[in-house]
Amino acid sequence: QVHLVESGGGVVQPGRSLRLSCAASGFMFSTTGMHWVRQAPGKGLEWVAVIWYDGSNKYYAESVKGRFIVSRDNSKNMVYVQMNSLRADDTAVYYCARERGAAGGQALDIWGQGTMVTVSS
Amino acid sequence: SYVLTQPPSVSVAPGLTARITCGGDNIGSYSVHWYQQKPGQAPILVIYYDGDRPSGIPERFSGSNSGNTATLTISRVEAGDEAAYYCQVWDTPNNHYVFGPGTTVTVL
Repeated sequence: QVHLVESGGGVVQPGRSLRLSCAASGFMFSTTGMHWVRQAPGKGLEWVAVIWYDGSNKYYAESVKGRFIVSRDNSKNMVYVQMNSLRADDTAVYYCARERGAAGGQALDIWGQGTMVTVSS
Repeated sequence: SYVLTQPPSVSVAPGLTARITCGGDNIGSYSVHWYQQKPGQAPILVIYYDGDRPSGIPERFSGSNSGNTATLTISRVEAGDEAAYYCQVWDTPNNHYVFGPGTTVTVL
């Protein structure tokens, strides 16, 4: 069964760092692009980042560029996002999602259940 | 960057048809994907490539895309279709995914 499970969320102070993880199972992880999408409380979906199937390309939303780093380990079927210099407006549920394709542009057909990140002093 | 617009809400009686629009400059030249999100749940893909349905999505869900408007159509609406619906495109020049602001569908 195709599955994505996020972990690593929690409460963190402004300016600190946090790393989220996403464990994938049930599909050929090394052949698909992986995304992070977030949703602030009561708000809509906001795309955060994508990493291509082989990790060769990574793209970020302007709101997180220079602060967040996406990575993946195809040997472990894991994708990560390292979030630095966190701000209050980074508070959101963070979802990882599988892309139908390998390298950007296609629909996100599998989503994890999300992990909550709260940035607060 | 590319901007998508959606009406905040759509209300429809059971058994009738709901149409949710997604506006964007020449959106007809993009591939549009649609997601359904119920409260407290993760989004699920309901339409991809403008009008294709993933397995498990009822035929009542369909999509079209032309000119400056893409449309998600839900026929014979049921109470279980109450949710927020988001359109999404790939902003190729900027290598960004873009989501619309979402439309909440209420079944009367």
